[in-house]
Amino acid sequence: DAKTTQPTSMDCAEGRAANLPCNHSTISGNEYVYWYRQIHSQGPQYIIHGLKNNETNEMASLIITEDRKSSTLILPHATLRDTAVYYCIVRATNTGNQFYFGTGTSLTVIP
Amino acid sequence: DSGVTQTPKHLITATGQRVTLRCSPRSGDLSVYWYQQSLDQGLQFLIQYYNGEERAKGNILERFSAQQFPDLHSELNLSSLELGDSALYFCASSGGVMTGELFFGEGSRLTVL
Repeated sequence: DAKTTQPTSMDCAEGRAANLPCNHSTISGNEYVYWYRQIHSQGPQYIIHGLKNNETNEMASLIITEDRKSSTLILPHATLRDTAVYYCIVRATNTGNQFYFGTGTSLTVIP
Repeated sequence: DSGVTQTPKHLITATGQRVTLRCSPRSGDLSVYWYQQSLDQGLQFLIQYYNGEERAKGNILERFSAQQFPDLHSELNLSSLELGDSALYFCASSGGVMTGELFFGEGSRLTVL
């Protein structure tokens, strides 16, 4: 699975959009981009995933660049409950379902 | 609530001992995964089972073993415990081998004294 690079930490003002970047320059054509988050000591929670098209669900939007070498997770209106570690994972579907989590980005939403 | 149940939530034991962590996946999910999260490390994938069979192995120590039973629940056995085994142990489940969404339990916090 391709390696990802994320900033160690970010801050975001409450009510503003939080934009979390992820670089995956070695991504292969059959690899998806997944985002999970982990609120302090809780089990990770699935957020969204995509292959090449932008995706949106009730939690977030995922913007993938045309060359697929990077992506951005957008939380449109961050709340204090969005404070968490966000993991960007690139994974091919034919490798089964084991996900390898990196260090992620620690997002702090500031009142 | 993810639908994945882990027991016990907390466990304190001594070095050299053996413990068993239990996981009940979401109803109908065939795959179960175990992860370890220590204070100084991120989430480490240990092992995956699919419908009773081992499917993938990660950084699982030889002192650790797991199995998935016919009713699809899984157990992670940790033996000859060391101080460094103190960690949060998460179980996750998914509906199939190729689906992309994992559902995690709340974890079992193991403290080895």
